[in-house]
Formats: sequence, C-alpha cells, structure tokens
Amino acid sequence: AQRVTQPEKLLSVFKGAPVELKCNYSYSGSPELFWYVQYSRQRLQLLLRHISRESIKGFTADLNKGETSFHLKKPFAQEEDSAMYYCALTTGFQKLVFGTGTRLLVSP
Amino acid sequence: DTGVSQDPRHKITKRGQNVTFRCDPISEHNRLYWYRQTLGQGPEFLTYFQNEAQLEKSRLLSDRFSAERPKGSFSTLEIQRTEQGDSAMYLCGGGTLSTDTQYFGPGTRLTVL
Repeated sequence: AQRVTQPEKLLSVFKGAPVELKCNYSYSGSPELFWYVQYSRQRLQLLLRHISRESIKGFTADLNKGETSFHLKKPFAQEEDSAMYYCALTTGFQKLVFGTGTRLLVSP
Repeated sequence: DTGVSQDPRHKITKRGQNVTFRCDPISEHNRLYWYRQTLGQGPEFLTYFQNEAQLEKSRLLSDRFSAERPKGSFSTLEIQRTEQGDSAMYLCGGGTLSTDTQYFGPGTRLTVL
C-alpha cells in the first residue's frame, strides 16, 4: 500500500536557520513525489515536484530511492516560509496520497 | 488563484440532514478529485473523475456519499444522513491529462452538529 510519513508535526526555527522537513514514503513502484504548501488562510498549492528538479522559493527536495525519502530543504529560512507543508505521492495519473503534514514556524 | 472554486465555503448542518457541495474547476481540468481533510491529518482521497466518468472511489466513500460530474465540468458531492464524523474540510482538486499536478479549491468546511 502507498504511504507517506512525515514524522514531525511541528518544526520551529529562527529566521536564517537551515530547514529540513522530513518525508518518507512506501511504494513498491516508481512514484512521483510532491511537496504541497498551505499558507495561513490560503488554499493548498504545489510547491515543487521531484520530476522537475527545480528550486522554488529557495526550497529543494531530492528523491532518495534507497532511503525512500523526499526531504524538503532550505538553507536559510524566512518568516514568510511559515506554513503547513504536505508531502505527497502519486502513481500515474491517479490520486495523491498525502502525509499528515508538518507545520513550519519561522521566528524572527 | 488556481481557478478552482468551491461552494459553499462553510456549511453547518444537523445530524441526519443531507448536504451537497459543488466544485467548479477550469475548463482544461479533465481530471477532478475530491478529498476529505480532518483536523491534524493530510487530505485523504475520496473519488476521482476523468471527464464525466467516475474512475475510482475510496473505501472512505460510504454508501451515504455520492459524487457526480454530469457534463464533465462542475462536480457535486452529496452526503446523505450526515453524521458527526463527517465533519471535515472537503477539498476539490483539478488536473489535466498531461500532468500529475493538481490545483485545489479553497475547500468546503462541514460541521455536523
């Protein structure tokens, strides 16, 4: 069965500190991995996807198939990064399977 | 703005009543998804349409739930005989055949008293 695990419910850092939001997945095939973000009072939106290998708002994520991980990283956190972050996977053009989310709080 | 709208944004109902939610994706969204999100959890898949065809339903979608997308454009999700456990945020996502990216609406928050 497909499963996404985000072990941290809350991650609190100071502005300028590095950030790593952990995500592990369970799937026997080759899934596509995503990070979705939800800022306060806004809708869920795509942050980045592993297939595009791009950096969005300074965030990057590398797919590690050996460790079945897709951790989200940013070298210097900003206050505007405070939000709820969800890791998700999909297989083909099907449903997204989400993790439980990590709330990132960046303090000044 | 993703172009996906949902109506209503909030719904309060009494246990046992029926409720219906609507999702309007943009015209390019051949694919339409419904998810349910409860407090402290990520969104959970309910059902998926490709154009007007309902291609997959989750086991979460009990017999009290029904979804339609009659003309391949907007979709409705109906819950009959609501229960307190149905209280959640109901999210709609739109997508195209050429990408796995989904674009979400603002959600409908249901409270069952």
